[in-house]
Amino acid sequence: GENVEQHPSTLSVQEGDSAVIKCTYSDSASNYFPWYKQELGKRPQLIIDIRSNVGEKKDQRIAVTLNKTAKHFSLHITETQPEDSAVYFCAAKDTGNQFYFGTGTSLTVIP
Amino acid sequence: GAGVSQSPRYKVAKRGQDVALRCDPISGHVSLFWYQQALGQGPEFLTYFQNEAQLDKSGLPSDRFFAERPEGSVSTLKIQRTQQEDSAVYLCASSARQGQSPLHFGNGTRLTVT
Repeated sequence: GENVEQHPSTLSVQEGDSAVIKCTYSDSASNYFPWYKQELGKRPQLIIDIRSNVGEKKDQRIAVTLNKTAKHFSLHITETQPEDSAVYFCAAKDTGNQFYFGTGTSLTVIP
Repeated sequence: GAGVSQSPRYKVAKRGQDVALRCDPISGHVSLFWYQQALGQGPEFLTYFQNEAQLDKSGLPSDRFFAERPEGSVSTLKIQRTQQEDSAVYLCASSARQGQSPLHFGNGTRLTVT
């Protein structure tokens, strides 16, 4: 089955700086890669996603890149704000409709 | 409803008790997933339904765990003879169709077994 690895597990940045979170996956047939943000005690919420036929997608301060050859994808947050502080999870969806999650990155934005 | 609804929000059970957790997915969503999330960890897959059919239950940790979705809408996750290691947040999620559709999560049920 699919195996998703996520790094780093914790990340602290100064407000206004950029944050990058990286994930790798093992199943080359996986075709959909969502990113979720989870604030303490709340549900994971989709923030951005990318499909396997696209290399990059951007939505305001958030962007995701996908390298299918290397089987890795990354989340980029620019001009970070304190409200970006949360745990971020990457996921990969295989052809069997299963989602596999990374172990999460706890992001702290220091004002 | 507007989103995935789970109840109860919190459940405290004494070891050995049975519990039932309910999930009401977004109307019309075909796929429904149950995940277990331990503190500081990512969601771990438990089971998956497409309509009323349970297509994958490989993540259920033991035969004490049972899930159903009899009419292809509301789902119930049942845990029999709860153990302390069952303490976790149980997340339900639904998606509109197979293929490249995102999961929409509920708020989860925090189960504490004492």
